Order: sequence, then structure tokens, then C-alpha cells
Amino acid sequence: NAGVTQTPKFRVLKTGQSMTLLCAQDMNHEYMYWYRQDPGMGLRLIHYSVGEGTTAKGEVPDGYNVSRLKKQNFLLGLESAAPSQTSVYFCASRPDRGDEKLFFGSGTQLSVL
Amino acid sequence: GENVEQHPSTLSVQEGDSAVIKCTYSDSASNYFPWYKQELGKRPQLIIDIRSNVGEKKDQRIAVTLNKTAKHFSLHITETQPEDSAVYFCAASGKTSYDKVIFGPGTSLSVIP
Repeated sequence: NAGVTQTPKFRVLKTGQSMTLLCAQDMNHEYMYWYRQDPGMGLRLIHYSVGEGTTAKGEVPDGYNVSRLKKQNFLLGLESAAPSQTSVYFCASRPDRGDEKLFFGSGTQLSVL
Repeated sequence: GENVEQHPSTLSVQEGDSAVIKCTYSDSASNYFPWYKQELGKRPQLIIDIRSNVGEKKDQRIAVTLNKTAKHFSLHITETQPEDSAVYFCAASGKTSYDKVIFGPGTSLSVIP
């Protein structure tokens, strides 16, 4: 099992450009999450999904959109990137409501110039 | 919503000494409290967790204590070793929002040989 895989690992964008981050898990997990990590601010929840076709807002959802068309994939989109979105993005998954252990991907370093 | 605070933000200890990291949470309905360790450049990984029906849990050199009345929980690492150097995150999730896992801002622990 590959676990949780994030692509790309690094990306540089110009202000106003758009992009999509892909998270894929092969563990048949129901729940998937997108976090951003900034120095001194920990892991902040952007959006999450509790199953195929569902999404919900987290702590810092503005400027991001997500989709969960397939159970194994959770996409994070930036429609018009801003320098404030420069961060490390982590995807995570967990089996279901009864099992709360999170399995993280290796992260995506995004720089917006 | 849930808010998790964590102290200290940085901690340096001599090898062999103990380290204590403290977290507080705001939602009295929270009932699950995990701790994640993130080594430099790596993904966060679960090291120990505790549920609200338990006051203390130990796993070798690591222990977590929970005070529900005061809404705080702590991570204790004894006989610290250089490989314990990392960023540690506490988190909380609960009955009012099983699906969200909210993290504290993190503690950077340095173990000096």
C-alpha cells in the first residue's frame, strides 16, 4: 500500500494563477482532510470530506475549493492564487468516524509569487 | 468551534531529562486527544492518543494525562533522546463535531546531547 499520496510535491505559482492539488489514498478510508501548515500556526483545517460526494468547510476555507468525486481522491483547488496561500499543504485520511487516527501524505510546498 | 492552545512553542532539554508539553481545548464536548510528532521535512505521525474516559495513558517513555474539568491535557516524555527532537502537535475532536480534527500550533522540541 502506498498510503496517502500527494501530487505535486513542489509548485511555484504567480499571483492570480490557478492550480489543483491531488490527494489519493489506497486504504479505502471514508474521511479525507486538507490542512495547511504555516510557521507558528500549526496545522489548520481547510476543508474535509466524510465520504464520496461530500465536502465541508474547516477553519480556513476562503480561497479554496475541494471535490471528492471518487472515494480515493480528494482535490484541493486554488482558483486565483494569492501570496497569503504560500504554505505547506498536507492531505490526511482516516478510516471512518469510529477510528480517528489520521494518516498524512508527504506534503506539497506551494509558493505564490 | 473547537480551539486548541499549546505551550510552550519551543522547548530545549538536555538528553536524559524529561519534557512536558501542555494543551488546552475550548469545547467541553471534545473526547479524543491525539498527539502527533513531525520530524524535520517529514509528515506528522500519531505517537499517542487518549480518550475522555481515561485520565492517563503510557507507552514506554511517552505518557499523556487528561484533566477534563480543567480542559487540558499534557504530553510527558521521559529520558529524552536526540531522536525525540521534532515538532509535536496536540489535537482535539469531539461529540459535537466528530469529523473535524483541530490541531494546536505545535511545540518545537530540541534535545541537546
